[in-house]
Amino acid sequence: GGIITQTPKFLIGQEGQKLTLKCQQNFNHDTMYWYRQDSGKGLRLIYYSITENDLQKGDLSEGYDASREKKSSFSLTVTSAQKNEMAVFLCASSIPGTKNTGQLYFGEGSKLTVL
Amino acid sequence: GDSVTQTEGLVTLTEGLPVMLNCTYQSTYSPFLFWYVQHLNEAPKLLLKSFTDNKRPEHQGFHATLHKSSSSFHLQKSSAQLSDSALYYCALSDRPGYQNFYFGKGTSLTVIP
Repeated sequence: GGIITQTPKFLIGQEGQKLTLKCQQNFNHDTMYWYRQDSGKGLRLIYYSITENDLQKGDLSEGYDASREKKSSFSLTVTSAQKNEMAVFLCASSIPGTKNTGQLYFGEGSKLTVL
Repeated sequence: GDSVTQTEGLVTLTEGLPVMLNCTYQSTYSPFLFWYVQHLNEAPKLLLKSFTDNKRPEHQGFHATLHKSSSSFHLQKSSAQLSDSALYYCALSDRPGYQNFYFGKGTSLTVIP
């Protein structure tokens, strides 16, 4: 089996700071995702990437940049952290399905706190 | 656009009672439906996914039936266990190529003795 590793697990930043989260997967999956998890709001898609060097915006992309420089890694940057922001960011990957659809494999999350 | 609506907020059940978490969806395609479960401090993981051939998926005592006529994929279990306490997400995927997933807002299930 494979694993998705997110770093750091906890990130504390200052208002206005640029902050980067990293995600590595060893499933050899093509597609990778970044979701933001807020209580009561579910999982909202920030960016996804269907292959190396591809980037697709999700519904919540404003205020974020992403980078997929190789198949196994996908980074997310908060371009300017907002004061009192607190959220969990989840990285995921999937195989595109054909007859049977693929599923998402998630990392354990990175918790962001902005002071 | 595509969307998923599920039983929102907190659900508290006594151990041994049946579990029913509702999920309805809207999609312009013929989507695949999923239930994901997230235990405290763990990653979300797949619990169930719908089949294309009307089979009823089951896992760990949970089952769900895709009803296209009512656009629903409710999660059920006959008898709740303490270990079922977790956050549950209903999700749909509308494209078989690269996967475009839509999640509901999540239901937090707490099972008490």
